[in-house]
Amino acid sequence: QKEVEQDPGPLSVPEGAIVSLNCTYSNSAFQYFMWYRQYSRKGPELLMYTYSSGNKEDGRFTAQVDKSSKYISLFIRDSQPSDSATYLCAMIRWGSGNTGKLIFGQGTTLQVKP
Amino acid sequence: EAEVAQSPRYKITEKSQAVAFWCDPISGHATLYWYRQILGQGPELLVQFQDESVVDDSQLPKDRFSAERLKGVDSTLKIQPAELGDSAMYLCASSLTGTYGYTFGSGTRLTVV
Repeated sequence: QKEVEQDPGPLSVPEGAIVSLNCTYSNSAFQYFMWYRQYSRKGPELLMYTYSSGNKEDGRFTAQVDKSSKYISLFIRDSQPSDSATYLCAMIRWGSGNTGKLIFGQGTTLQVKP
Repeated sequence: EAEVAQSPRYKITEKSQAVAFWCDPISGHATLYWYRQILGQGPELLVQFQDESVVDDSQLPKDRFSAERLKGVDSTLKIQPAELGDSAMYLCASSLTGTYGYTFGSGTRLTVV
């Protein structure tokens, strides 16, 4: 079983729809929770990060963490065709020497149709 | 905006040949990572450096893969010999020590034929 599970999709929605992306994890040692966006043939770029349980909002994006359920979500409001990309959830497990290990989910491919 | 530089962007090599990838992290970032991303999957950590020292290489296939960061700045990842299953995107990332702010490069797309 993978430490971080994410439905690969693909997910196709019409422009303007609300998108919900989710991940579950099994290791309670995970701390920082992140969402990365990856366009085709590009490296991942950090979209949002959270540390504690609760919601964090940034424009059209809301990240939600529920540590008791080991469940994180990313919501995209008023989705745009430019949001079409692969969304990767990721989590950091801290090790010795203050070094972190970033563990990714499989990624969900999102297509927003005009 | 500071970027992580990687080269080459694309590489096609024949099975059993040697191949090398180069990464130049953001200036001042002591921690450097090499990830492998197979098509349709999330990136998986191959090796992590803290300055010039390897911190984690538990997932690096050491019989064919090697990585170095001799002066604690840029890094090279080598595969010898390459196998068909090595076809993937190889991503380099860097961060300040003890932070969550990983910055990824655009990656090297390797195809082994």
